[in-house]
Amino acid sequence: EAQVTQNPRYLITVTGKKLTVTCSQNMNHEYMSWYRQDPGLGLRQIYYSMNVEVTDKGDVPEGYKVSRKEKRNFPLILESPSPNQTSLYFCASSPLSGTVYGYTFGSGTRLTVV
Amino acid sequence: SQQGEEDPQALSIQEGENATMNCSYKTSINNLQWYRQNSGRGLVHLILIRSNEREKHSGRLRVTLDTSKKSSSLLITASRAADTASYFCANAGNNRKLIWGLGTSLAVNP
Repeated sequence: EAQVTQNPRYLITVTGKKLTVTCSQNMNHEYMSWYRQDPGLGLRQIYYSMNVEVTDKGDVPEGYKVSRKEKRNFPLILESPSPNQTSLYFCASSPLSGTVYGYTFGSGTRLTVV
Repeated sequence: SQQGEEDPQALSIQEGENATMNCSYKTSINNLQWYRQNSGRGLVHLILIRSNEREKHSGRLRVTLDTSKKSSSLLITASRAADTASYFCANAGNNRKLIWGLGTSLAVNP
């Protein structure tokens, strides 16, 4: 089944403790992206990647890192999480760009930073 | 940042009725996309309509696009309880960015 897989689904952590949210897609998509979703603010793009080893900042990249060493994987790293990073996170992929073909989204990761 | 706007913010209807949601945007577009999100879950791509198209159908979904008014509408016909979800529009301009609306929350009552 074609899908984007995110893990974990839920995560509660403490301020400052480094964490990684994994994302993997099995559709051979070139483009991958991370979004966060917050009430009243909608979906905001954190980082995106046009291809392997090519990443770029979205609208809200502060406090996040990403890497794209393989085409299928696009992990999101929070080096020192803070409470304002409590949010619902989504990984998404697209054949070329989400603006051309639309996205396939993962199921989401609900992160709470205390 | 710029955002599209869905209207209404919330909609409650009875099963079997039609649901219409509207989306307005500010910039020129290459295409406009509609997504559905069940509570707390990932978004599901429903339909993409290109700037040179005026209407598109997919099953019980009908999307229209009026570029002169910078607006789009999503019609769900013969709604079902399973259609209860939030619906988002996203417009794709020339800068490789999707601009998302804040969504319409649809409740379909059995």
